[in-house]
Amino acid sequence: GIQVEQSPPDLILQEGANSTLRCNFSDSVNNLQWFHQNPWGQLINLFYIPSGTKQNGRLSATTVATERYSLLYISSSQTTDSGVYFCAVMDIHTGNQFYFGTGTSLTVIP
Amino acid sequence: GAVVSQHPSWVICKSGTSVKIECRSLDFQATTMFWYRQFPKQSLMLMATSNEGSKATYEQGVEKDKFLINHASLTLSTLTVTSAHPEDSSFYICSLRDRGVDGYTFGSGTRLTVV
Repeated sequence: GIQVEQSPPDLILQEGANSTLRCNFSDSVNNLQWFHQNPWGQLINLFYIPSGTKQNGRLSATTVATERYSLLYISSSQTTDSGVYFCAVMDIHTGNQFYFGTGTSLTVIP
Repeated sequence: GAVVSQHPSWVICKSGTSVKIECRSLDFQATTMFWYRQFPKQSLMLMATSNEGSKATYEQGVEKDKFLINHASLTLSTLTVTSAHPEDSSFYICSLRDRGVDGYTFGSGTRLTVV
């Protein structure tokens, strides 16, 4: 199956700082989503972004499908941004199966 | 986007008993639902694909007799962990495809602890 790697694995930020999370994948994809898993385990869908750029408030994401990577930008981080960020992709060969990345654990300290 | 309700949020059971987890689509009909498992500090792994009116498709290494999936209607899929053991303790999450272009929506998850 498709390999999905995220970096960095762990990140500690001071409140107000900006950060960039990266997701690399090993094959062509027809779906890519970024999720935030809060401390209670709930997965929040941040972006559906198989290509291009999207912005939602302090968050934005860019996927360059031809180069097989996606970036999630967090600006002016807040303590509520803490949690694990997952990138998940669906490759064009298997159709319905999501492959999740290893996640980036973010801790924002006041 | 779609709304997915998953229950219970957490459950503690004794070793050897069975536990049923429900996943409901509240606002549209889902012909396909997906079940994932997440061990502590790890990523999510697909367990099986639940198809309405037919047998589920299990991923390699997932015991179909242990993890029973029933997709009896277009709005409900259930996962039953039979004869649970401590190693089955995990976070189980269901998912379905959104009817729009918003991708896939996930349930809130069920944290299972087998003692």
